[in-house]
Amino acid sequence: DQQVKQNSPSLSVQEGRISILNCDYTNSMFDYFLWYKKYPAEGPTFLISISSIKDKNEDGRFTVFLNKSAKHLSLHIVPSQPGDSAVYFCAATTTSGTYKYIFGTGTRLKVLA
Amino acid sequence: SQTIHQWPATLVQPVGSPLSLECTVEGTSNPNLYWYRQAAGRGLQLLFYSVGIGQISSEVPQNLSASRPQDRQFILSSKKLLLSDSGFYLCAWSRSFTFDQPQHFGDGTRLSIL
Repeated sequence: DQQVKQNSPSLSVQEGRISILNCDYTNSMFDYFLWYKKYPAEGPTFLISISSIKDKNEDGRFTVFLNKSAKHLSLHIVPSQPGDSAVYFCAATTTSGTYKYIFGTGTRLKVLA
Repeated sequence: SQTIHQWPATLVQPVGSPLSLECTVEGTSNPNLYWYRQAAGRGLQLLFYSVGIGQISSEVPQNLSASRPQDRQFILSSKKLLLSDSGFYLCAWSRSFTFDQPQHFGDGTRLSIL
């Protein structure tokens, strides 16, 4: 049972354009969401998070949007840069539980120069 | 600043051999510690987590085990490796079980079973 889904395994975007990575979840108890970026042969690095009390959180070029009714979140990267090429994982957790993260399967983003 | 170390970076082991992967965290005390596995084409699967010395919670029944002999040391072990144990193993830490403290990952160990 995949509670967190990233249905696009890969995405290619031109440098300077917007990258939109999507994530869907099924558990309505999830109330905190995170995005991680992972380069090959390295561990994931935390990128940005959002609580369910918000619908948007912004940090520089990265913005995460949360649509609770649709159980959907997205990560926008504007403008995309070649250094953004990596695998992006979304994760979800419940703040009233043990705060274990449930990760999606990841989306490989390739930013073309 | 806090750092997390995992070793070895890569490991090739025969089926049936034992395993010991070590993870240590520096620059913080009483961290929560986690072991994840990423199999090919899969997401990150939580294997074990620990909130303190000697306290281990297992998420997935398997032939792996974890131990926390010291506050900032987390060890993943197996007595007999299976082919299905191949994957990328990641250790992570967080300050505490609060939602605004993200988990921070080590660089992982690529384990290949022959």
